[in-house]
Amino acid sequence: SQQGEEDPQALSIQEGENATMNCSYKTSINNLQWYRQNSGRGLVHLILIRSNEREKHSGRLRVTLDTSKKSSSLLITASRAADTASYFCAIDTGTASKLTFGTGTRLQVTL
Amino acid sequence: DAGVIQSPRHEVTEMGQEVTLRCKPISGHDYLFWYRQTMMRGLELLIYFNNNVPIDDSGMPEDRFSAKMPNASFSTLKIQPSEPRDSAVYFCASSPGQGSQPQHFGDGTRLSIL
Repeated sequence: SQQGEEDPQALSIQEGENATMNCSYKTSINNLQWYRQNSGRGLVHLILIRSNEREKHSGRLRVTLDTSKKSSSLLITASRAADTASYFCAIDTGTASKLTFGTGTRLQVTL
Repeated sequence: DAGVIQSPRHEVTEMGQEVTLRCKPISGHDYLFWYRQTMMRGLELLIYFNNNVPIDDSGMPEDRFSAKMPNASFSTLKIQPSEPRDSAVYFCASSPGQGSQPQHFGDGTRLSIL
């Protein structure tokens, strides 16, 4: 399967700490995207990194991509309670106009 | 701007009944996707449309499921007859271009089949 797999499945940290989530995949990609899902809500797009990019920043988010290892990481710096959510990576292989979503990481940020 | 709108937000019905889920994509978006999310299987793509035409329905679990997009501003996902194993959250998403573009999700329909 080309599905991305996130690691860890669950992560609990205190407010102010950094949170790192990893995504591994099995096939060549066109781009990789990260999404957030708050409880009871739909997924929200966070950031897109193309296969020829190695790092991308957006506010407190930092995404890296290592195509040789077929892996990506999402770093959230100075986490806040409002960051509590599930985070998913999604893979675009470029062969069809669709994404394949990973299994997600549940992040809990406590005060 | 209004986001993707799904209705109903919650649906509880008895096994064997017909269920119709509705979606209004963001205006101007060419692609529409239907997903199903469960604890066991995660987020699964059921079907997607481009310019109202179904492109890939390989994720539709069986013939009980059908989807239509009669125009650019409306899509339905129908289950007939429904079964308890269809219980899940169903999401609709749209994107302005190819699937490589970020997708915009609705808040889903939580479906419970008794």
